[in-house]
Amino acid sequence: AQSVTQLDSHVSVSEGTPVLLRCNYSSSYSPSLFWYVQHPNKGLQLLLKYTSAATLVKGINGFEAEFKKSETSFHLTKPSAHMSDAAEYFCAFSGGYQKVTFGTGTKLQVIP
Amino acid sequence: GAGVSQSPSNKVTEKGKDVELRCDPISGHTALYWYRQSLGQGLEFLIYFQGNSAPDKSGLPSDRFSAERTGGSVSTLTIQRTQQEDSAVYLCASSFSSAAYEQYFGPGTRLTVT
Repeated sequence: AQSVTQLDSHVSVSEGTPVLLRCNYSSSYSPSLFWYVQHPNKGLQLLLKYTSAATLVKGINGFEAEFKKSETSFHLTKPSAHMSDAAEYFCAFSGGYQKVTFGTGTKLQVIP
Repeated sequence: GAGVSQSPSNKVTEKGKDVELRCDPISGHTALYWYRQSLGQGLEFLIYFQGNSAPDKSGLPSDRFSAERTGGSVSTLTIQRTQQEDSAVYLCASSFSSAAYEQYFGPGTRLTVT
């Protein structure tokens, strides 16, 4: 069965410091992987996606993620956090063509 | 072009009443998804449409929940005899053709059952 695990429910960083949000997946298929962001009272917005091209994927707002097959990971990073990055982040996984499985989310707090 | 739209944005209903939630996907997107997001929770998958067919209904919580899609476009999610535990934000998303493509989300419908 396919699954995705977000290892941290909450992450707190200071403004200007790096961000690391962790995501691991489990599947026997070649996956498509996504990161979405949800600001309060808003729908989800795609940050970036991996679909078997380059393993380092660059997204919007300075975020990037690296697909590591050996570690079954797809962690989201950003070199320098901004106050506007405070939101909830969801990792999502598709191992086939019919269903996307979302992680439970990581709430990012940015401290001024 | 227009994104995914959902209506109503907010719905307050009394326990036991039926409600209908509407989703208008992006034009040309054949795949459509419904999710439920309860307070402080992640996304709970409800149902997936490919065209007008629903290959995966596995997430519908009970037989009080049903959904349909017509003309390969608009979808309605119906909850019969609403219960307080149905209170949540219901999100709709569409994608180009399959789960291999990114999903575009609507703003959601906030359902409150009193």
